[in-house]
Amino acid sequence: QSVLTQPASVSGSPGQSITISCTGTSTDIGAYNHVSWYQQHPGKAPRLIIYDVTNRPSGVSNHFSGSKSGNTASLTISGLQPEDEADYYCSSYTSISTLFGTGTKVTVL
Amino acid sequence: QVQLVQSGAEVKRPGASVKVSCKVSGHMLSEESIHWVRQVPGKGLEWLGGLDPEDGKRIYAQKFQGRLTVTDDISSDTAYMELSSLRPEDTAVYYCATTAAAATRGSGFDPWGQGTLVTVST
Repeated sequence: QSVLTQPASVSGSPGQSITISCTGTSTDIGAYNHVSWYQQHPGKAPRLIIYDVTNRPSGVSNHFSGSKSGNTASLTISGLQPEDEADYYCSSYTSISTLFGTGTKVTVL
Repeated sequence: QVQLVQSGAEVKRPGASVKVSCKVSGHMLSEESIHWVRQVPGKGLEWLGGLDPEDGKRIYAQKFQGRLTVTDDISSDTAYMELSSLRPEDTAVYYCATTAAAATRGSGFDPWGQGTLVTVST
């Protein structure tokens, strides 16, 4: 059972853009266009913000965007806002499981 | 709009079993594919298992096979997760979530229940 690798923390000032990476392998991220991203505020349940690599669910701000290259997916937050301070998790489908990333704490300076 | 409401916190002794419920409202449980994810306090998310909408079969993380049972009570629109042979490292918040797309679990989980804290301690 593998885990996807994310940086432990990323920070930025309000209005800046930040990018969170999520590294997997050729059997998960590299094999499927099924990467999701979740935002989690302290004490709350995770919220889906990106699915199928680049798509945003209804109601999710367009300052969140996703991409993928090879075995690495990325989440970009453009125009960082104070309410974006949270933990972020990537996730990838595989034929036999669902994998989550190690999580990234985003701090708005 | 589907909503998921979970049962309350549990305290269990090592070796015991715990059963957590997840009530579906706004849709029928038969229209949803419920999955279970846990989070050890201060740590990341870990997928346990659920119903794979692609073939209608239960799918479990290898780590939990033999200890985890996921069931559905269609008559009450309630899903259940039972974890047996509990150990202290199973102390975590357990979440239920439904697949965001009806036909695949590949498009993520949305929405989630509020979480149920399970504490395993002597």
